[in-house]
Amino acid sequence: DAGVIQSPRHEVTEMGQEVTLRCKPISGHNSLFWYRQTMMRGLELLIYFNNNVPIDDSGMPEDRFSAKMPNASFSTLKIQPSEPRDSAVYFCASSLGVGQGVQPQHFGDGTRLSIL
Amino acid sequence: AQKVTQAQTEISVVEKEDVTLDCVYETRDTTYYLFWYKQPPSGELVFLIRRNSFDEQNEISGRYSWNFQKSTSSFNFTITASQVVDSAVYFCALSFYNQGGKLIFGQGTELSVKP
Repeated sequence: DAGVIQSPRHEVTEMGQEVTLRCKPISGHNSLFWYRQTMMRGLELLIYFNNNVPIDDSGMPEDRFSAKMPNASFSTLKIQPSEPRDSAVYFCASSLGVGQGVQPQHFGDGTRLSIL
Repeated sequence: AQKVTQAQTEISVVEKEDVTLDCVYETRDTTYYLFWYKQPPSGELVFLIRRNSFDEQNEISGRYSWNFQKSTSSFNFTITASQVVDSAVYFCALSFYNQGGKLIFGQGTELSVKP
């Protein structure tokens, strides 16, 4: 079975450019999470969706960040305009939610983003 | 406060040694879930185990074992007879039903197993 698929794997772009990260969750999973990993802050949640609806976006750093989930099989995380401090590894994860207790999240391989 | 502390930043052992990774959590909730994830050098995050707060039974899976003690708010992970392939960063995480299952991660412990 296919796992969580993220694209691109690597992205290098210049400050001020728009960046779009993409995620395809595991089929049948109804919860989707975006995390960011940096040396300074570790792994932190940015936003999560349940049944395609954003539930908690309190981790989104600022208005430059936005996330959408137009359908059950696709989500995007967009940064506009990008800044060097946004450089990090961004992970997408999906799970079966909490209907029968908190279910494990399965992670994609991540997108390594470098803003020059 | 809801928090996970992994006090060991780095651990280095020689192959075949046993090693324990510590995890201490903080919460006032009585219902919660604990997880361990492995991040090998290739960078992906791999789920290892889930435990809910009502199940204090320890678990063993091959060379891996987990010791959950509510009295000390700890969920420690032991690798028996470590191997070079165990070299990775290991994360402990806390989660709650009423927060949609989002994970609160510890800072991770980098384990290096030398041949």
